[in-house]
Order: sequence, then structure tokens, then C-alpha cells
Amino acid sequence: AQSVSQHNHHVILSEAASLELGCNYSYGGTVNLFWYVQYPGQHLQLLLKYFSGDPLVKGIKGFEAEFIKSKFSFNLRKPSVQWSDTAEYFCAVNERAAGNKLTFGGGTRVLVKP
Amino acid sequence: GAVVSQHPSWVICKSGTSVKIECRSLDFQATTMFWYRQFPKQSLMLMATSNEGSKATYEQGVEKDKFLINHASLTLSTLTVTSAHPEDSSFYICSASQAGPTRDTQYFGPGTRLTVL
Repeated sequence: AQSVSQHNHHVILSEAASLELGCNYSYGGTVNLFWYVQYPGQHLQLLLKYFSGDPLVKGIKGFEAEFIKSKFSFNLRKPSVQWSDTAEYFCAVNERAAGNKLTFGGGTRVLVKP
Repeated sequence: GAVVSQHPSWVICKSGTSVKIECRSLDFQATTMFWYRQFPKQSLMLMATSNEGSKATYEQGVEKDKFLINHASLTLSTLTVTSAHPEDSSFYICSASQAGPTRDTQYFGPGTRLTVL
């Protein structure tokens, strides 16, 4: 069965530091890849997505992610975080052959200290 | 655009009662809606997928007679937790997708926190 792994459960960093969150998936077929963010007390919002084309995807709020097919990875990055980036980040994968069902990773809680 | 709402945002009920949660797409037609549950400090687990006018498809381990899903229109899906018990207490989140080029993107509602006493 499809699985999605986020290696870091908690990340604490200071403002202006760089952020990279890892995401790996297990499925070998064609996939769509997503990063969602959940700010405290709010619902899930789409940060960025990859369907095809350029494996380096740019999303909202200065985030980007790189799809590396050979490593089954889709890591999220931001060069310089702000306090407002404090949130929980979820990687999700959709197997194209299975319709548009999403499998989520366990999430990473990011705390940015001012 | 692509706003999804849920009602209620939280509900407390007694054990043995049934609870209905609504999920609405406010500005688009949701051909497919999904229901997830999220336990504290855990990720979202897909419960079922529903297409408008069709029976829902449940994930393995999810009791379809306990979690009744109705998707009668392109803007509304409901989840009814029947004979709720304390172990059903959780955060229930719906999402919706529309037909067309963005069909693989899901838009999430704000969630409903269910507490069963």
C-alpha cells in the first residue's frame, strides 16, 4: 500500500533560518505530489503541487519543493522563514491510477522563534 | 475561490446518539468529496470518497453502517456518525474536488470536532 513518510515530526528554528522538510513516498507508479499547511486553528491550505514538468515547483509564501523521482522524494524548502510560518506541514501523494485519493504523511510541526 | 465549509465546527453529544456533519462547497461544484478523520497530533486518515449521486467508497477498516455518507448534490455531502461512542471522538475534515483540469486538487473544509461523552 501507498505510504508517505515525513521524517521530522518537530522542527524548531529561528527567524531567517532556512527550512527543509523531507517527504518520501513508497509508490512506484505515476503520482501527483502536494504540500499542505495548517496554521494554528485554521484549515488545511494548499502550498504547492507537482503534477508534471519542471521538478522544481514554486508555491505560495516563498515555499518551493523539488521532486526527485529516483529518490521518491518531494522535499519542501524555504530559504528564510518568518514567525508566521509556524504551522504544521503535510506532504500528500495521489496515485493517478487510484483516482484522486490522497495519502498524507504524518505531518511536521514547525515552530519559528521570533 | 474554492471554499469549503463545514457545519457544525464542533459538537458534543451523548454516547449512543447520532451526529450529522455537513460539508459544503460554496463557490464550485464538487463532483467528489472526501471525508477524513484526524486524531490528536496525527495525520489525516481517509475514511471514504463520495461522488455526487453515487454510493460512497469506504476505506478498509471504516464501518459504512456507522459512518453514513450522503452526497446528494454537487455542493453538499453529509457524514452521519450513528450510535456514537467515545472512541469516535475525533476531528472530522471534509475536502472537495471539481471536475476538469484541477480535479486532482482537493480543497479542505475547516473541520468538525466531535466529542462523545
